[in-house]
This record gives sequence, structure tokens and C-alpha cells, in this order.
Amino acid sequence: IAGITQAPTSQILAAGRRMTLRCTQDMRHNAMYWYRQDLGLGLRLIHYSNTAGTTGKGEVPDGYSVSRANTDDFPLTLASAVPSQTSVYFCASSESAGEVNTQYFGPGTRLTVL
Amino acid sequence: GQNIDQPTEMTATEGAIVQINCTYQTSGFNGLFWYQQHAGEAPTFLSYNVLDGLEEKGRFSSFLSRSKGYSYLLLKELQMKDSASYLCAGSDSNYQLIWGAGTKLIIKP
Repeated sequence: IAGITQAPTSQILAAGRRMTLRCTQDMRHNAMYWYRQDLGLGLRLIHYSNTAGTTGKGEVPDGYSVSRANTDDFPLTLASAVPSQTSVYFCASSESAGEVNTQYFGPGTRLTVL
Repeated sequence: GQNIDQPTEMTATEGAIVQINCTYQTSGFNGLFWYQQHAGEAPTFLSYNVLDGLEEKGRFSSFLSRSKGYSYLLLKELQMKDSASYLCAGSDSNYQLIWGAGTKLIIKP
């Protein structure tokens, strides 16, 4: 089934631990995005990638890093998790950047940092 | 600054019509998106407007007024499955989406 997959579905993590959230899409979309969603706030962009090999910072990038080695995969890494990073994380993709395109979302990862 | 405002919560009755409003302020404007998000699930695309006027898609319609920085989503013949959050997002000059906090729609029988 075409679309975006994310792993893990949920995770409880001790503060200070390193964690990588995985995101894979099979739609051959050029652009990919990582958002966090917190109660009472809109989706906030963490990092994005317009094409394989390039990444950019979004609205809330501190404490997070990404890489885009190929078209399909866009992992998000928390180097040293803190409780304020407790959130639901969504990966999304769109055909291209630099023009209007619908973004398609993965099922999300619910992360709790204790 | 960039900002998207929409009501936090609305309640409506099954079979009725509801209008969810959204006002936006973005640096540059490349259109307005509406997404639906059921509890515990991912947002899914509903509609996109870039020109003034009404776009109708079955029971759902979306309206845009660029001069007023205003959009609404109109849901007709409400069904229980329409209970969800509805997210408004503006596309800015860099084609990044600026998201509202979402409107939680509660449908009562």
C-alpha cells in the first residue's frame, strides 16, 4: 500500500537518551517534513527536506536533527531527549517544494520523555 | 508575524450544517488548506483554495476571501463520523504551511 510509514508507533524514553524516529515513503515524493503536534497548538515544523541530500530548519528545530540520504527515508533524531519533547510526531511528504503541493501524513509517533 | 486563528471547539447536531471559520495572516500567500484529523490519527487532506470563492466537494465546501484573510469550511448533512478536528493551514511565500490549532467538532445525535 502506497504511503508513509513511521516507526515506532509509540515510545517511552528516559530523559537524556538518544532516539531516532523513522519515516519512509514510497510515493517518490521529493519533499519531506517533520512536525510535532501538541495539545492546543497547531502542527509545528521541526525540519524539512526539499530533495534528497538537502535539509532545512523549521520553526522549532532545537534539540532535533535530520538526514536525507535518499528519496524514501527521512529519520528524525533526538540527541538527548528532554521532557519538553514529549509530543506526537508526524512525518509528511509532498511531490515537490517551491510550489503548492498537498502534504500527506504518516500515522505518527507518540513519544513520552520522562 | 504569521498566524492562523480558528475556534477551539464547536458542537453540532447530526443532519445539520456547520461552518468552521478560519482567519489567516501569512507572509505572502499561496493558498489555504483544510485537513481533517480524527482522534489518534494523521491529518488527511480535504480541500485547497487559492482563488476567491466557494469550492464544493460533496458534503464539504470551502470558501476563501483573500481580501479579508478569511476562509470557512462548510459541512452539510452532518454524520457522526464527521466528529473530528479540522485544521486550517495557510501556504506562505516559501510554500511552507502555517497551521492553526484546529477546531474540534463534536456531533450530537
